[in-house]
Amino acid sequence: EIVVTQSPATLSLSPGERATLSCRASQSVRSNYLAWYQQKPGQAPRLLIHGASSRATGIPDRFSGSGSGTDFTLTISRLETEDFALYYCQQYATSPYTFGQGTKLEIK
Amino acid sequence: QLQLQESGPGLVKPSETLSLTCNVSGGSINSSNYFWGWIRQPPGKGLELIGTIYFSGITYYNPSLKSRVTISVDTPKNQFSLRVSSVTAADTAVYYCTRPFRFYYFMDVWGKGTAVTVSS
Repeated sequence: EIVVTQSPATLSLSPGERATLSCRASQSVRSNYLAWYQQKPGQAPRLLIHGASSRATGIPDRFSGSGSGTDFTLTISRLETEDFALYYCQQYATSPYTFGQGTKLEIK
Repeated sequence: QLQLQESGPGLVKPSETLSLTCNVSGGSINSSNYFWGWIRQPPGKGLELIGTIYFSGITYYNPSLKSRVTISVDTPKNQFSLRVSSVTAADTAVYYCTRPFRFYYFMDVWGKGTAVTVSS
């Protein structure tokens, strides 16, 4: 099983700042099959990024994904108030298709 | 616009079977382009893919749950269902029905989720 580890667990930043979230897999993720989701309290997750770097429909361009192999990054270029939430990454290359434990992005 | 809505009991007794249904609206479950899936999230914890089903009945189950899980599809009702047998407190979670994107295992459409508690 591919173990997916996200860091940091909590990231405290201010609106307007740049956020960098990390996702590391215990084995190489084939074809960069890595997705990112955003989840707000009491809501279902929302797909942000798939294929490591492709934005989902309707996602603002301040969200970007990068990386390959075992190391991936979600970058939010200029934080807006609505971006403070939980973020999960998921590898969908190898069964079982596993999620990271999440990074909480909180307002500083 | 495709919408998914979960329904089912919010409380299940230990050792019994958890049963949930997902109603699909704004699209056909018969679509040859998509799977349909279930994901769960225990309180305060992360996400776990339970499994997926194709309209023809072909399924994928998470190996960790495979012995207890059944996903089925009811095409006339445009619904699909989840059954988890022999539940314990560890099965307490919010259960989401989802639609994976094409034939990949990431989810681009989610229901709102339904909370299920396993307790006597």
